[in-house]
Amino acid sequence: SQELEQSPQSLIVQEGKNLTINCTSSKTLYGLYWYKQKYGEGLIFLMMLQKGGEEKSHEKITAKLDEKKQQSSLHITASQPSHAGIYLCGADPGANNLFFGTGTRLTVIP
Amino acid sequence: DSGVTQTPKHLITATGQRVTLRCSPRSGDLSVYWYQQSLDQGLQFLIQYYNGEERAKGNILERFSAQQFPDLHSELNLSSLELGDSALYFCASSVEDSPSGTGELFFGEGSRLTVL
Repeated sequence: SQELEQSPQSLIVQEGKNLTINCTSSKTLYGLYWYKQKYGEGLIFLMMLQKGGEEKSHEKITAKLDEKKQQSSLHITASQPSHAGIYLCGADPGANNLFFGTGTRLTVIP
Repeated sequence: DSGVTQTPKHLITATGQRVTLRCSPRSGDLSVYWYQQSLDQGLQFLIQYYNGEERAKGNILERFSAQQFPDLHSELNLSSLELGDSALYFCASSVEDSPSGTGELFFGEGSRLTVL
């Protein structure tokens, strides 16, 4: 079965700093999704990547799917306290469900 | 506000008991997904319904069952509860029967179940 591993597991950064979160799949990705979860709340969709080399941005968050489609990175520029939360990558194995990676907990210190 | 409503928000019960979690999907959404989130297991997919029919099954225990009603709301029934069932249970909805279209699922705020 396909697995998604995220790194780092947790990240503490100073406000204004840039950061990167990685998501590595054990199999080729046919769709990679990034979600954000605020502590104790539901997930919010950020973006979806489907093509190798594809890059998308949403405000100060940029995500890219590598050419081999087995890894994605999420980059936050000039982090703000509002970026704090848990970032999860997800994949659709073609079985009508979306399964998620292990998550990265981001703390932004003002 | 995602438009997905889950009740109850919090639930405390004892081992061996049975509980029902309810989910009302976003208006117009036909698919409902159930997820379990715990500290040690992360976010685990349980089951998906589309327009009243079961479409996909994940790591759902036999003690758990779900259904989607004609008005499209869904219920997740958890029985013979064990301490390890304590978790945050999320419902998500989407228009399509597969997330591969837009990839966007709309999540409720979850039902936090504590089993004592």
